[in-house]
Amino acid sequence: QQQVKQSPQSLIVQKGGISIINCAYENTAFDYFPWYQQFPGKGPALLIAIRPDVSEKKEGRFTISFNKSAKQFSLHIMDSQPGDSATYFCAAGGDNYGQNFVFGPGTRLSVLP
Amino acid sequence: KAGVTQTPRYLIKTRGQQVTLSCSPISGHRSVSWYQQTPGQGLQFLFEYFSETQRNKGNFPGRFSGRQFSNSRSEMNVSTLELGDSALYLCASSFGQDVDTQYFGPGTRLTVL
Repeated sequence: QQQVKQSPQSLIVQKGGISIINCAYENTAFDYFPWYQQFPGKGPALLIAIRPDVSEKKEGRFTISFNKSAKQFSLHIMDSQPGDSATYFCAAGGDNYGQNFVFGPGTRLSVLP
Repeated sequence: KAGVTQTPRYLIKTRGQQVTLSCSPISGHRSVSWYQQTPGQGLQFLFEYFSETQRNKGNFPGRFSGRQFSNSRSEMNVSTLELGDSALYLCASSFGQDVDTQYFGPGTRLTVL
């Protein structure tokens, strides 16, 4: 019940295209869903996060869509750039879990020039 | 503002040895969480310290332990190293009052031979 599933495992997109990564969770007690970006040799960096009280949140080219009833959320990267090539992790946590986050397995995104 | 720092960045040990990793959080952050990252298991939560007390713990054996000092700096210790302990160990800091944005350090790459 603590697992967060993430797909696809890898994704190749042309420059200017839309990258879409999907995640699903089971534990309805989760109420905070961040997305992290990780470049090789670096620690994960927070991209954007959402709470279940909104269905969508946008920051620049990054948008999270959230479907509470389906227990799914997704990251959309608009106008994907080669510099977006990285591994993306979704995560789930909540006020009842403190700083204990459950991470998805990651999606390796490659944006071709 | 300085980010999260971890030392050392790379470490090579042999089976049976023990190791201590260090993490200095962002100034003002009182919560430090530790994660193990491997290609097979992804990011897994080890434990979290807040105000020198362990507040959350993941599902790792007792060989993995940690502590936090009064200045919020944290150390993680792994005793009786096994080959499977080879991983990137990440620490993340946050203010920690509620579920909160975590800022990750660059990690310590531990190789057990």
